[in-house]
Amino acid sequence: NAGVTQTPKFRILKIGQSMTLQCTQDMNHNYMYWYRQDPGMGLKLIYYSVGAGITDKGEVPNGYNVSRSTTEDFPLRLELAAPSQTSVYFCASSRSTGRSGGNTIYFGEGSWLTVV
Amino acid sequence: GNSVTQMEGPVTLSEEAFLTINCTYTATGYPSLFWYVQYPGEGLQLLLKATKADDKGSNKGFEATYRKETTSFHLEKGSVQVSDSAVYFCALGLNFGNEKLTFGTGTRLTIIP
Repeated sequence: NAGVTQTPKFRILKIGQSMTLQCTQDMNHNYMYWYRQDPGMGLKLIYYSVGAGITDKGEVPNGYNVSRSTTEDFPLRLELAAPSQTSVYFCASSRSTGRSGGNTIYFGEGSWLTVV
Repeated sequence: GNSVTQMEGPVTLSEEAFLTINCTYTATGYPSLFWYVQYPGEGLQLLLKATKADDKGSNKGFEATYRKETTSFHLEKGSVQVSDSAVYFCALGLNFGNEKLTFGTGTRLTIIP
């Protein structure tokens, strides 16, 4: 079972470079998310999507862009990388049924990004 | 706004010891509460959850009870094993189709034989 797959796992970027973190899920989930995890901190939501063609900002969206052209894919674009974007990035997905229930969110294994 | 405050780590225990990791929250509305676990080099995995007051979530010997009166969701396990060594995150999520989670800072747990 693949679940949530994100690539690359590790990347070193120079200041000012751009890159895309890829994320795909095979569970037909409608919700997808990008989080970042800084050392000693909890996860912060960057962007999320409630379905193909719909995206919205989370808590820390500056310096990032996303798109959701298909249900399966939710790439995260970093434009003009800065040292403050050095972090571990997690893609996640869930199926929301539109009712109360605390639906489970499934996470990918993470992408370690260093900006130097 | 919503927030989660977690017991600071790291926590080191001997095998078979009793574990408590404290978690308190503030939230508007009626959140669901979660504990996620992150093993070394892996992504987060749901450990347990509770969706309303007085609910008890349990899994793999871990338990947590949703206490609305004290706004708490403390994680407990009666006898920890070396394989429980991981980082544990408390989180809250608001329901009704919007599952964005607010996470605590995580507690690193190390179990020594």
